[in-house]
Amino acid sequence: SQQGEEDPQALSIQEGENATMNCSYKTSINNLQWYRQNSGRGLVHLILIRSNEREKHSGRLRVTLDTSKKSSSLLITASRAADTASYFCATDGGSNYKLTFGKGTLLTVNP
Amino acid sequence: DAGITQSPRHKVTETGTPVTLRCHQTENHRYMYWYRQDPGHGLRLIHYSYGVKDTDKGEVSDGYSVSRSKTEDFLLTLESATSSQTSVYFCAISEGGAGGPGETQYFGPGTRLLVL
Repeated sequence: SQQGEEDPQALSIQEGENATMNCSYKTSINNLQWYRQNSGRGLVHLILIRSNEREKHSGRLRVTLDTSKKSSSLLITASRAADTASYFCATDGGSNYKLTFGKGTLLTVNP
Repeated sequence: DAGITQSPRHKVTETGTPVTLRCHQTENHRYMYWYRQDPGHGLRLIHYSYGVKDTDKGEVSDGYSVSRSKTEDFLLTLESATSSQTSVYFCAISEGGAGGPGETQYFGPGTRLLVL
């Protein structure tokens, strides 16, 4: 069964706006990761947050993690048309090497 | 794509025929993975390898086998392809290790397989 579930399934915004995607998971984790997939391409790693961290930043990305609620959010600030992609959260379920991916959020940024 | 290639990139085959997909890496990473991606299901793990000749099953392993005779190559075989195996197949690699960057996975470009 899927460990991570993203919400919403699809999100459409205007360029310059912020985009927020959420991920919920079921079991304990060592860390949670976010990946991006452009249409027809492989997934690309964006950011990793450890279970003892609450917030992490990377450029225009901000990730939060609430282990008590088993949830994470990915915020993309000042979005660009090039941010149009599917975004997936992935959890390790306590494993050091195996990830379980959610079904993804399709983000469309309109120029 | 982090030194990962997949071949073929596209394949059309008929039900009942065997199919082998190849993943090749130049990063010398220990772990290699095969996933399939289908609409409504996201990415699902088929098999993975944690070293040469060391493999294990993932979430959707029925109908698939794998082999890893060299660090750089991980083969996925569909012994007798079925229409339900029409999908996009991704290979991924990671260094492995506890917590942090070692768990990051790097993905190949994918193989689109159509089983008629």
